[in-house]
Amino acid sequence: EVQLVESGGGLVQPGGSLRLSCAASGFSFSNYAMYWVRQAPGKGLEYVSSINSNGDSTYYANPVKGRFSISRDNSKNTVYLHMGSLRPEDMATYYCAKGSHGFVTGFFQYWGQGTLVTVSS
Amino acid sequence: SYVLTQPPSVSVAPGETARVTCGGNNIGSKSVHWFQQKPGQAPLLVIFYDNDRPSGIPERFSGSNSGNTATLTISRVEAGDEADYYCQVWHTRGDHWAVFGGGTKLTVL
Repeated sequence: EVQLVESGGGLVQPGGSLRLSCAASGFSFSNYAMYWVRQAPGKGLEYVSSINSNGDSTYYANPVKGRFSISRDNSKNTVYLHMGSLRPEDMATYYCAKGSHGFVTGFFQYWGQGTLVTVSS
Repeated sequence: SYVLTQPPSVSVAPGETARVTCGGNNIGSKSVHWFQQKPGQAPLLVIFYDNDRPSGIPERFSGSNSGNTATLTISRVEAGDEADYYCQVWHTRGDHWAVFGGGTKLTVL
């Protein structure tokens, strides 16, 4: 059974940093692209970032480019999202998703339950 | 940038057919994926590559994609189908990013 468990969310002040983690199990992690998608309270889904299976290709949505960084540790079956210079508009539930393939343009096959990031002073 | 347009809401009686549309410029040339999200839950993939169903998704769910409109069709709608539905494509002009529609709230009357 595929499981994705996000952690690391919480309250952070504007301008602060946070690192989210997503621990994966139930599949061969190193063979699949991974993603982060966020959802602001009461709003729709918004793509954040993606990373291919071996970690050498990463992509970002324009609103987070230059502030967020995605990485993965295939030995730990974990994908990370390093978030810096946080803004109030970054406040959202952040979901980790497993891709359908090793390259990033597959589909979001499975999703974690999400971790809430609150940006407020 | 590429924009996907969904109606904010669709209402249908139990047993009827619900159609959720997703409009985009020449979307028929792209692969469309659909997600269901119930309150307080994570999104769930219900259709991939326009009209393929993951295992465990009922045959009542189907999709089509042509021209400027993709459609998610739910036949014989049940109360448990009430949820938000999102379409998604990849935009790959010089970069790669996923584009989601704004979401459609399906209400079962």
